[in-house]
Amino acid sequence: SQKIEQNSEALNIQEGKTATLTCNYTNYSPAYLQWYRQDPGRGPVFLLLIRENEKEKRKERLKVTFDTTLKQSLFHITASQPADSATYLCALHTGGFKTIFGAGTRLFVKA
Amino acid sequence: EAQVTQNPRYLITVTGKKLTVTCSQNMNHEYMSWYRQDPGLGLRQIYYSMNVEVTDKGDVPEGYKVSRKEKRNFPLILESPSPNQTSLYFCASSGEGDATNEKLFFGSGTQLSVL
Repeated sequence: SQKIEQNSEALNIQEGKTATLTCNYTNYSPAYLQWYRQDPGRGPVFLLLIRENEKEKRKERLKVTFDTTLKQSLFHITASQPADSATYLCALHTGGFKTIFGAGTRLFVKA
Repeated sequence: EAQVTQNPRYLITVTGKKLTVTCSQNMNHEYMSWYRQDPGLGLRQIYYSMNVEVTDKGDVPEGYKVSRKEKRNFPLILESPSPNQTSLYFCASSGEGDATNEKLFFGSGTQLSVL
């Protein structure tokens, strides 16, 4: 069956360190992959999109990699801050007009 | 301000009582979609619309209806709500000139409880 897996356990890191979140998928061949941030009680907010022919994409302190052979995307936040604490969602565009989301990984950044 | 507006923010109802959750976007987006979010399951797509009068089922459409009579509005209708439809619902839209949903804008959500 088709699956998107994100680490269900929360990630706790110290301020200033790099946070790395993982998104694995099976039985998809996505044209692109997206990362969203979601704060408690709020809707997801788009962060980055990376296409299947791109290996890496950067935006300020954020970096996303996309390995279509491993069927994996890594999401990095460098120099993390307490304000980065949130849930981060991985999403795949599976063709047509459908976007499939992972369950998300909760990140806690301690001051 | 560009935004997706959902109403109501919170809703408590009883089994079988028809309800509508409204969604409106002011970005002239062609694509709109409804998701439900449940703990451990992530966002699951209910219905989506590619344009006015064009809608299609997502992954969990049972028990829901939608309509797209105007470009800006995409209401979600529960004809006969049941307790298993208790969930957090999000409306989303995208457009900005691209044909597919590369960047989704989400509303603030509607927390629905069906007793």
